[in-house]
Amino acid sequence: DTAVSQTPKYLVTQMGNDKSIKCEQNLGHDTMYWYKQDSKKFLKIMFSYNNKELIINETVPNRFSPKSPDKAHLNLHINSLELGDSAVYFCASSLPLADDQETQYFGPGTRLLVL
Amino acid sequence: DQQVKQNSPSLSVQEGRISILNCDYTNSMFDYFLWYKKYPAEGPTFLISISSIKDKNEDGRFTVFLNKSAKHLSLHIVPSQPGDSAVYFCAGVIQGAQKLVFGQGTRLTINP
Repeated sequence: DTAVSQTPKYLVTQMGNDKSIKCEQNLGHDTMYWYKQDSKKFLKIMFSYNNKELIINETVPNRFSPKSPDKAHLNLHINSLELGDSAVYFCASSLPLADDQETQYFGPGTRLLVL
Repeated sequence: DQQVKQNSPSLSVQEGRISILNCDYTNSMFDYFLWYKKYPAEGPTFLISISSIKDKNEDGRFTVFLNKSAKHLSLHIVPSQPGDSAVYFCAGVIQGAQKLVFGQGTRLTINP
C-alpha cells in the first residue's frame, strides 16, 4: 500500500520529445512537491503545490509544467526534453501547514534518461 | 550557493560501533532540520528531525545533535547495523516555506 507512488519508474527518451511523470499520494496530504536529483546527487526542489495551487517555483525552465488535477495528484510534464534533463525526479508530499508539515514523504523516484 | 553541506561523501564503520554523520549549514533562518535515509533505487525516507529550539533529539538508536552557534548538526547511530548502510541526507527548512534544502548526502557503509 504505497503512500507516494510515481509512474513510470524508468523513462528513456530522445531529445526533443515531450514526456509526463505522474505522482499520487494516498496520505491525505495537502502539499505536494517535485524534486530533481542531478548527476552530482544534489536533491533540489522544483515545485510545490498546496491544495492544487502553485506555492513554489524554483526558477525551473518553463519547459517543465506541473499539473495538479486534485490534491492527491501532482504530475510533471516536460516539453522538448534536453540532455541536461536526465536525472532522478522525486515526488513528495507533506501534512497541512498547521501540523508536522516539515516532514515530507517521498516517492520512489523516476529515472529519466534523455538520449 | 549550497546552504546545507555534508562534507564527507562517504563513511565506513564497523558493525556495533557508533556512526557519526555531520552536516553544516549557512542559513540562520532554518528553524527545523531533518535527516533522511536513502537506499538505492528508492526515495528518501524520513529518519529523525530536530527543531532549532532544541539541541538534541533521540529516537531509539538514532540521536541528532544541533549546535546552533556553530551551525552544525550531527546524526549518531549506535550501535550501527548492516541495514543502516545507505545514503544519509541532512535537510534544513524554514517554517512555513514548505521547502527542504538538502545536503549532498553521505554514503554510510557498515562492515560486518
